[in-house]
Amino acid sequence: DQQVKQNSPSLSVQEGRISILNCDYTNSMFDYFLWYKKYPAEGPTFLISISSIKDKNEDGRFTVFLNKSAKHLSLHIVPSQPGDSAVYFCAASPYNNNDMRFGAGTRLTVKP
Amino acid sequence: EAGVAQSPRYKIIEKRQSVAFWCNPISGHATLYWYQQILGQGPKLLIQFQNNGVVDDSQLPKDRFSAERLKGVDSTLKIQPAKLEDSAVYLCASSPRGDEQYFGPGTRLTVT
Repeated sequence: DQQVKQNSPSLSVQEGRISILNCDYTNSMFDYFLWYKKYPAEGPTFLISISSIKDKNEDGRFTVFLNKSAKHLSLHIVPSQPGDSAVYFCAASPYNNNDMRFGAGTRLTVKP
Repeated sequence: EAGVAQSPRYKIIEKRQSVAFWCNPISGHATLYWYQQILGQGPKLLIQFQNNGVVDDSQLPKDRFSAERLKGVDSTLKIQPAKLEDSAVYLCASSPRGDEQYFGPGTRLTVT
């Protein structure tokens, strides 16, 4: 069962513009949400997280928005840079942080 | 701070053979995870350890997969016997508090 879904397998944006990556989830027990970034031949690296008590978390160029009623979260990257080109995974876990579920990933390409 | 180490990086075996992967987590991280990532999908949790005890192994195919964490530090994941569908990248991750996870580079397994 796919409890975390990233419906866009790829996204291409121009350098300097905004990148918006979307993620939907089905399990209402999920309480903690994360975004990971993955370069080829490397493991995923943590980017940003948000707990269900918040609806926004910002870290530099990266902002995650959470809409609990819609079971939707998004990652905004502003401004996008060529070095941001990677696969981005959305992940979610219940309150006890066990059993983390990942989406299938979105490949972001930022063109110079 | 040294990251999560995994070996080998690549492994090719024939079906019905056995294989083992090794993971050395970040020093002091109590929680250790093994994930399976099939091409085009997100990582899927196989097993989670807290120190040397198993927290969650609900998605581990126990008829052929086994894992142990020695003295709460290093861990090995074994597949015996391997099937074609086991071809994937096997990721190890560790976490200090069970929230943000730090991933190793992964082991790419090809079963022929």
